[in-house]
Amino acid sequence: AQSVAQPEDQVNVAEGNPLTVKCTYSVSGNPYLFWYVQYPNRGLQFLLKYITGDNLVKGSYGFEAEFNKSQTSFHLKKPSALVSDSALYFCAVRDGNNNDMRFGAGTRLTVKP
Amino acid sequence: DAGVIQSPRHEVTEMGQEVTLRCKPISGHNSLFWYRQTMMRGLELLIYFNNNVPIDDSGMPEDRFSAKMPNASFSTLKIQPSEPRDSAVYFCASRGDGSYEQYFGPGTRLTVT
Repeated sequence: AQSVAQPEDQVNVAEGNPLTVKCTYSVSGNPYLFWYVQYPNRGLQFLLKYITGDNLVKGSYGFEAEFNKSQTSFHLKKPSALVSDSALYFCAVRDGNNNDMRFGAGTRLTVKP
Repeated sequence: DAGVIQSPRHEVTEMGQEVTLRCKPISGHNSLFWYRQTMMRGLELLIYFNNNVPIDDSGMPEDRFSAKMPNASFSTLKIQPSEPRDSAVYFCASRGDGSYEQYFGPGTRLTVT
């Protein structure tokens, strides 16, 4: 069965600094990997995904993520954080052989002015 | 497109009452997912449907929970009888055939007193 770990409950960065939100995964087959963002009192919004191909994927709002097969990681990054990026971020994995998706526990990102 | 639509957005009920949550997936999407989000347990998959057929309901916590999808544009999640520990935010998500990511509705915040 697939699983996801987000080792940090909370990440704090200053506006303008680069940010990284970490994610590691475990699957038996080829991984499909996703990042979602949740703003207060809202549903999850899709940011980006890795299915195959280039290990660096770009998504919405200037976010990108790098797939690292040897480290089984899919860290979310942004070169310059904005205060408006403050939200809850979820990493998710889906085994290519089945349909359901497993989410991590979430990481709360706070960007301070 | 209006996105995934859920109703009601908020529901407050007393223990023992029946609760019905509703979801309209994105038009043309053939997979539908119900999730529950709590502080303690994070985001949990309850059940998912493909082409209106329940595929995996292993996440449904008890027999008090049931879900139906009578047609491609409507699904319900019912709790009968409700208990205080059912208090959570319930999300519906849908995915199109051939697509990898899910799209979430705004959620229903359920409070059982």
